Amino acid sequence: DTGVSQNPRHKITKRGQNVTFRCDPISEHNRLYWYRQTLGQGPEFLTYFQNEAQLEKSRLLSDRFSAERPKGSFSTLEIQRTEQGDSAMYLCASSSSGTGGAKLDGYTFGSGTRLTVV
Amino acid sequence: DAKTTQPTSMDCAEGRAANLPCNHSTISGNEYVYWYRQIHSQGPQYIIHGLKNNETNEMASLIITEDRKSSTLILPHATLRDTAVYYCIVRVAQTGTYKYIFGTGTRLKVLA
Repeated sequence: DTGVSQNPRHKITKRGQNVTFRCDPISEHNRLYWYRQTLGQGPEFLTYFQNEAQLEKSRLLSDRFSAERPKGSFSTLEIQRTEQGDSAMYLCASSSSGTGGAKLDGYTFGSGTRLTVV
Repeated sequence: DAKTTQPTSMDCAEGRAANLPCNHSTISGNEYVYWYRQIHSQGPQYIIHGLKNNETNEMASLIITEDRKSSTLILPHATLRDTAVYYCIVRVAQTGTYKYIFGTGTRLKVLA
């Protein structure tokens, strides 16, 4: 297993366009998270899936954002009508719901998708 | 949610120990402290975590004060590859899992 994979690594789009990012988690991980990171800041939580169920969404996730994990494996994050303020690194992480030890809940992050809205 | 505060930046000479402090004065009794680091253009990488006791692994040591209001991450022999942003995180429970609330981290620069 090669870890959490995110595609594309970089995306430049014009304001008003729609974009979609993909995340492939570690295969045996049933939990998947999306975070957003702007320049000079730490990652901010956006949303979380357990299997295919989206269990929590941050208020940062406006109506223009939608995330899916249709079969409990890969996930997509779509941003509609992009705005310049959406420019950020979008990070995906996965974890396993283990029964012993806090590290089993430790996240493995992907390398992120850097979005630039011009 | 518990919050953490860290110095914005630190320098450390190569080969010396790097001691990175973190304050988490509002931490609750069952909340763990995690440390991650982020090297430029990569996702955060897990380093170590702890609840009450000091912890050590192949990467680092974590010292947690008895009142749990602060902790220190120790990189015993810093190398140039340890240059990164280090995040001290308090893990809080959420629906069915745990959530990591990141601060702005400490930018550690290891000097040759």
